[in-house]
Amino acid sequence: EAGVAQSPRYKIIEKRQSVAFWCNPISGHATLYWYQQILGQGPKLLIQFQNNGVVDDSQLPKDRFSAERLKGVDSTLKIQPAKLEDSAVYLCASSFTPGNSYEQYFGPGTRLTVT
Amino acid sequence: QKEVEQDPGPLSVPEGAIVSLNCTYSNSAFQYFMWYRQYSRKGPELLMYTYSSGNKEDGRFTAQVDKSSKYISLFIRDSQPSDSATYLCASPLPGGGSYIPTFGRGTSLIVHP
Repeated sequence: EAGVAQSPRYKIIEKRQSVAFWCNPISGHATLYWYQQILGQGPKLLIQFQNNGVVDDSQLPKDRFSAERLKGVDSTLKIQPAKLEDSAVYLCASSFTPGNSYEQYFGPGTRLTVT
Repeated sequence: QKEVEQDPGPLSVPEGAIVSLNCTYSNSAFQYFMWYRQYSRKGPELLMYTYSSGNKEDGRFTAQVDKSSKYISLFIRDSQPSDSATYLCASPLPGGGSYIPTFGRGTSLIVHP
């Protein structure tokens, strides 16, 4: 079974530029999560999708971050414009059972550096 | 105060030692708990999850929950250098009609040969 795929693996941009990350969850997984993990900290949930719909985006900085999940499969997370404090690893995870967040499978992450 | 607290370490032990990793949580709404292992430059992988107070064992790993003191532990027996990683405890926090996975900052474990 293929795992959660993410691309790119690394990205370096200047502040005020825009960037997009892509995630392909495990086949058949209804729930998809985007996390931000700053160095030395645990992952922080940004947004949670169930199929096409947003379940929770209370911690997403909506003035600069946006995310979508088309057709309930792939998802993209965008930052525009980026700030220095956005430097982090962006992790995508998925789970089979809607709301079953305790059995999530994570992708390798995208490491973003904002200079 | 963070919802889930962990000592960041690093915790350094010799190969074969029994390792104890701990978390505390503040919110009684937490109902079940997970332990993830994260190798450097990799995503977290689920080790174990447990719902009730008491112990749950899986091979060399034992998860322990004490809800009365809001304390979570992960024990690793016969630790190996391959266990060197960051261990994250987590719990889904109910809110807004869903569960928000809430992670501790992780404890870095180093097992030296």
